[in-house]
Amino acid sequence: AQTVTQSQPEMSVQEAETVTLSCTYDTSESDYYLFWYKQPPSRQMILVIRQEAYKQQNATENRFSVNFQKAAKSFSLKISDSQLGDAAMYFCAYRMRDDKIIFGKGTRLHILP
Amino acid sequence: DSGVTQTPKHLITATGQRVTLRCSPRSGDLSVYWYQQSLDQGLQFLIQYYNGEERAKGNILERFSAQQFPDLHSELNLSSLELGDSALYFCASSVDRAYNEQFFGPGTRLTVL
Repeated sequence: AQTVTQSQPEMSVQEAETVTLSCTYDTSESDYYLFWYKQPPSRQMILVIRQEAYKQQNATENRFSVNFQKAAKSFSLKISDSQLGDAAMYFCAYRMRDDKIIFGKGTRLHILP
Repeated sequence: DSGVTQTPKHLITATGQRVTLRCSPRSGDLSVYWYQQSLDQGLQFLIQYYNGEERAKGNILERFSAQQFPDLHSELNLSSLELGDSALYFCASSVDRAYNEQFFGPGTRLTVL
């Protein structure tokens, strides 16, 4: 069965520094999609970045980038130049071929001023 | 504002009762997804509808059911409620498949007493 594991329940980073959130997944599928979602205190779920498994190039969105290692089944999120507004719960998610989506337990990110 | 609306925002009810949560997707989106977010279970995918038909099913209990109507709005029905059903229920919509960006609604907070 597919699983998504976020091994860091909480992390802290100094404002303007870089932080990397880890995510590993288990699957037997070869074609799938991976996502990082952000959930700030408002509880609104916001898509941060998306990666297609068939693409070797790592996705980037402004200060957010991923390190996608397909063979290792690893999908980490790097946040550069951390800002106070980045403080949130971050969820890694895997979309299966049949459109089911599995979320990790989340990593709570604190930004230290 | 994601364009996805959910009503009601809060719902307080008693064990054994039945409730209906409503979701209106973004204009033009054909897919609707339901998620349950509880403290101990994280974010769980419940079910997906596409243009009125069920497309994918996740960890949805038999006491729960959903449907998508011709105008594309969706309802999630929860019956024989238990204390453990207390959670934040999210609806999300996307244009088509789950690899397209999902836009999340603000959620319905259900409290079962």
